[in-house]
Amino acid sequence: GESVGLHLPTLSVQEGDNSIINCAYSNSASDYFIWYKQESGKGPQFIIDIRSNMDKRQGQRVTVLLNKTVKHLSLQIAATQPGDSAVYFCAENDDAGNKLTFGGGTRVLVKP
Amino acid sequence: NAGVMQNPRHLVRRRGQEARLRCSPMKGHSHVYWYRQLPEEGLKFMVYLQKENIIDESGMPKERFSAEFPKEGPSILRIQQVVRGDSAAYFCASSPNNGGQETQYFGPGTRLLVL
Repeated sequence: GESVGLHLPTLSVQEGDNSIINCAYSNSASDYFIWYKQESGKGPQFIIDIRSNMDKRQGQRVTVLLNKTVKHLSLQIAATQPGDSAVYFCAENDDAGNKLTFGGGTRVLVKP
Repeated sequence: NAGVMQNPRHLVRRRGQEARLRCSPMKGHSHVYWYRQLPEEGLKFMVYLQKENIIDESGMPKERFSAEFPKEGPSILRIQQVVRGDSAAYFCASSPNNGGQETQYFGPGTRLLVL
């Protein structure tokens, strides 16, 4: 079936550097994408979303880029902090809007 | 403004027992979703409900699993005759309106351990 996948399972980054997390999706009909952050023992926390009529969206220290041509999504975290250490998931909303399809996750480890 | 609430946070059951997981959506949200997460994996969709209606249960196992969202009270995910393979974290999410194009906000999850 359709799926969302990530290229890198683990990302180690120095505190203060920028982080980039990538995600590939396969359902060309998907038109809404979300990035979630999940800390150990907690539920996924909404970070930022983007709709398919956009190619870039910025939040506080985070930017999501969407390339529909190659079905690629990325999350950029500026000036990564220890509190950013977590697993990050991209998710797509199916064209019926009923459910989210999650990628496998990327673990971000911030080194002091 | 309380977020999505789930209880219990941890649940231990022996094989063959029943597990009942509860979810109260965010205030003003009328759509509830249940997901299951195995360790080191992403979340897998199970079921989508609105008040008194199951909209999409394509991710629910055919046997032993059921879900409801009554007119009053929380949504319930019920697992009968649990087996060890049911051990996982179960997350509930809610959204305010039409399930499409609306952000889903997640609760803290219930971690089920089947002995």
